[in-house]
Amino acid sequence: KAGVTQTPRYLIKTRGQQVTLSCSPISGHRSVSWYQQTPGQGLQFLFEYFSETQRNKGNFPGRFSGRQFSNSRSEMNVSTLELGDSALYLCASSAAGFTYEQYFGPGTRLTVT
Amino acid sequence: DAKTTQPPSMDCAEGRAANLPCNHSTISGNEYVYWYRQIHSQGPQYIIHGLKNNETNEMASLIITEDRKSSTLILPHATLRDTAVYYCIADYTGTASKLTFGTGTRLQVTL
Repeated sequence: KAGVTQTPRYLIKTRGQQVTLSCSPISGHRSVSWYQQTPGQGLQFLFEYFSETQRNKGNFPGRFSGRQFSNSRSEMNVSTLELGDSALYLCASSAAGFTYEQYFGPGTRLTVT
Repeated sequence: DAKTTQPPSMDCAEGRAANLPCNHSTISGNEYVYWYRQIHSQGPQYIIHGLKNNETNEMASLIITEDRKSSTLILPHATLRDTAVYYCIADYTGTASKLTFGTGTRLQVTL
C-alpha cells in the first residue's frame, strides 16, 4: 500500500505570495491532518479534514486554509506569505472511525524569502 | 490535553535497551498515551499507545504507572536506526487526528 505523498517536496516563495500544497492520503483513509513544524515552535496542528469537511482546527490565522476533495486528497493554502511561514508542512492521514495511528508524509519544505 | 514532560536528550549504546521516560501528571481518565518518533528529515512515525495497561508491539513496549501519571517507552535492543526524536503525547482520542506534540526526547544511539 502506498504511503502518504506530498507535493511539492521543496518550495521557495517570496513574501506576499500565496502557496498551495498537496497531500494524497493512504488509499482508504478519509481523515487528513496538516501540521507545521518549525525549529522555534515545534510540531503544531493546523487543521483536519474528514469527508470534505473541516473537523478540527488549530490556532493559526485565517491566512492558512485547506480543503479536501471527494477522493480524500487535500490541499492547504497559505496566502500573503510571511517570513515566519518558512517551515516543514506535514500531512498525515488516518482511517475513518476509532483509530490511534496517524501516518505522516515526508513533508513539504517551504522557504519564504 | 494533558501536558507531557520529557528529558531533552538521552544516549543509549547499540544493542542495549533504551528507556525513555515521560511525565503526564495531569492526564485525565479518558486520555491515552501515544508515542511517536521522528527520524531526521522524515515525518513522525507512530510507535505505540496505551490507556492503563502495559502494551507491547513489534517496535516497543509501553509501561504506564498505576496512577497513570508517568510512562516509559522501552526499545528493547536499540540500533543506530532508532536515533530520532521521540514524542510522548497524552490526548483524548476518538480519531487520533489532532495530536499535540511537545518538544520530545532526542535519543542518540551510539556504537
